Amino acid sequence: GENVEQHPSTLSVQEGDSAVIKCTYSDSASNYFPWYKQELGKRPQLIIDIRSNVGEKKDQRIAVTLNKTAKHFSLHITETQPEDSAVYFCAAKRRGTSYGKLTFGQGTILTVHP
Amino acid sequence: EPEVTQTPSHQVTQMGQEVILRCVPISNHLYFYWYRQILGQKVEFLVSFYNNEISEKSEIFDDQFSVERPDGSNFTLKIRSTKLEDSAMYFCASSEADQPQHFGDGTRLSIL
Repeated sequence: GENVEQHPSTLSVQEGDSAVIKCTYSDSASNYFPWYKQELGKRPQLIIDIRSNVGEKKDQRIAVTLNKTAKHFSLHITETQPEDSAVYFCAAKRRGTSYGKLTFGQGTILTVHP
Repeated sequence: EPEVTQTPSHQVTQMGQEVILRCVPISNHLYFYWYRQILGQKVEFLVSFYNNEISEKSEIFDDQFSVERPDGSNFTLKIRSTKLEDSAMYFCASSEADQPQHFGDGTRLSIL
């Protein structure tokens, strides 16, 4: 089955710096890659996603890049703010099913220091 | 914005007891999911449900687990005989076909 590895497990940055979180996946049949932000005790919230027919997607300060050949994708947050502090999870879904399960990475605890 | 709602927010149960976790998916969604997250760990898939039947389940989802859509709005997860290791946060999610999954706030299940 699919395996998703996420690095780093913790990331500490100064406000205004950029943050990059990387994930690799094992199943070449995966074609959908969402990123979720989870604040302490709260639900995972989708912040951005990318499908395998696209190499990069951007939404204001957040961007995701995908390298299908290398089977890795990354989350980029620019001009970080203290409210960006949370746990970030990447995930992958296999193509071919409308209902496909999400396989999550281990999570990255991002801390943005004011 | 419509949300997935889950009840209760926290459930404390004695080991060996049955527990039912409830979810109300977003109204026009047809695909429903349960995930769990043990404290400090990643989110793990349990089961997906579509058209009144299980579409896919993980190895975690053994005979002690069952899901049901008892009416047009609720989606439930039942654990028949709870074990200590079932203690976790359980998230319900829903989606439209091939669209992002939206998660509820979760039910924290504590087994004593």
